[in-house]
Amino acid sequence: AQKVTQAQTEISVVEKEDVTLDCVYETRDTTYYLFWYKQPPSGELVFLIRRNSFDEQNEISGRYSWNFQKSTSSFNFTITASQVVDSAVYFCALSVGDMRFGAGTRLTVKP
Amino acid sequence: DTAVSQTPKYLVTQMGNDKSIKCEQNLGHDTMYWYKQDSKKFLKIMFSYNNKELIINETVPNRFSPKSPDKAHLNLHINSLELGDSAVYFCASSQVGTRGDPLHFGNGTRLTVT
Repeated sequence: AQKVTQAQTEISVVEKEDVTLDCVYETRDTTYYLFWYKQPPSGELVFLIRRNSFDEQNEISGRYSWNFQKSTSSFNFTITASQVVDSAVYFCALSVGDMRFGAGTRLTVKP
Repeated sequence: DTAVSQTPKYLVTQMGNDKSIKCEQNLGHDTMYWYKQDSKKFLKIMFSYNNKELIINETVPNRFSPKSPDKAHLNLHINSLELGDSAVYFCASSQVGTRGDPLHFGNGTRLTVT
């Protein structure tokens, strides 16, 4: 069975703080993909990143970075120097066929 | 320009009614999906169609029936609506439907059953 756990239900930070969103996954498959999606207050779901199970290289895209560690079954997402526009619900997802989402973490960035 | 479009954006209806939500994608993708997002933001897959064929049918009441007239369209028909059906329904598509494909979502349809 596949499962994604995002233990942080809500996080609140002040602008310019760094924040890390945790994601822990469970699967028995050796080939799988991990994703992060952003859902801003306007409601759409925006794809941010995809990682396959054979590529543990960390990735950085501007202020966003992702840390994939198979040893701890985690795929954490860090926003550096957060901005108010980063306020959203962030979903981690796992795919071994169909895509299963975590419960989401609501991030609020205050000015 | 819109990649995955759903209509309507909002749907308010009474219990017992039948309603449909339409979805179209212009990305040339082979696979389309319906997801339900409840009031706690939890996203759950309902159906998946690959090239007009049903691939995934999660434990969803029979009152929900997807219809795919062609691979660019996946509509959702709901019979005998219940209060618990109130949610945001997202249509999505992916290129091939394999595990590595990211999903491209529509903007959602907020269904309110009164």
